[in-house]
Amino acid sequence: ETGVTQSPTHLIKTRGQQVTLRCSSQSGHNTVSWYQQALGQGPQFIFQYYREEENGRGNFPPRFSGLQFPNYSSELNVNALELDDSALYLCASSFGTGMETQYFGPGTRLLVL
Amino acid sequence: GDSVTQMEGPVTLSEEAFLTINCTYTATGYPSLFWYVQYPGEGLQLLLKATKADDKGSNKGFEATYRKETTSFHLEKGSVQVSDSAVYFCALSREIQGAQKLVFGQGTRLTINP
Repeated sequence: ETGVTQSPTHLIKTRGQQVTLRCSSQSGHNTVSWYQQALGQGPQFIFQYYREEENGRGNFPPRFSGLQFPNYSSELNVNALELDDSALYLCASSFGTGMETQYFGPGTRLLVL
Repeated sequence: GDSVTQMEGPVTLSEEAFLTINCTYTATGYPSLFWYVQYPGEGLQLLLKATKADDKGSNKGFEATYRKETTSFHLEKGSVQVSDSAVYFCALSREIQGAQKLVFGQGTRLTINP
């Protein structure tokens, strides 16, 4: 069974640029959630994707957007990067949208200069 | 809104010591409760969970009991090892717009000295 994988592992961008982060869900999982973890903080929910549709969103602006593909993998896109977007971005997969356990990937560390 | 408050860290203990990391929550209804662990340079791993009041979650010698009356989910281990050094996150599960969202505490860094 393959776990959740994310790419790239690290990324450096400058203010105003755009970034795409990728996530492959665990085998058998059809739901992907994205979280932002600032340094020294707990993760914050960005949004969740189920059946290729956004299925719930946290308190993040529209410049944070995503996609889910037919194979359940997902992308997180962030436009007009700001310094405060520097964080570890975590992807989690689960089966269904109910109270199922979410399994996390290793994350992508983004630094915005 | 929903929130989770954890014991401030860092926490430093000697090997074989008893561990308690406090966690309290504020939420409407009865959310599921979780402890996740994050080892250096890695993502989060589920340590244990409890889905209803008085449930006890346990794994790898760690335990936590869902206490509705005190809105708490404290993590305990009887004898810690150096390999338990990590950051521990308490979390609750909440439905938002049909999606399951995890609300995390700020994390507690644990260091175990040999």
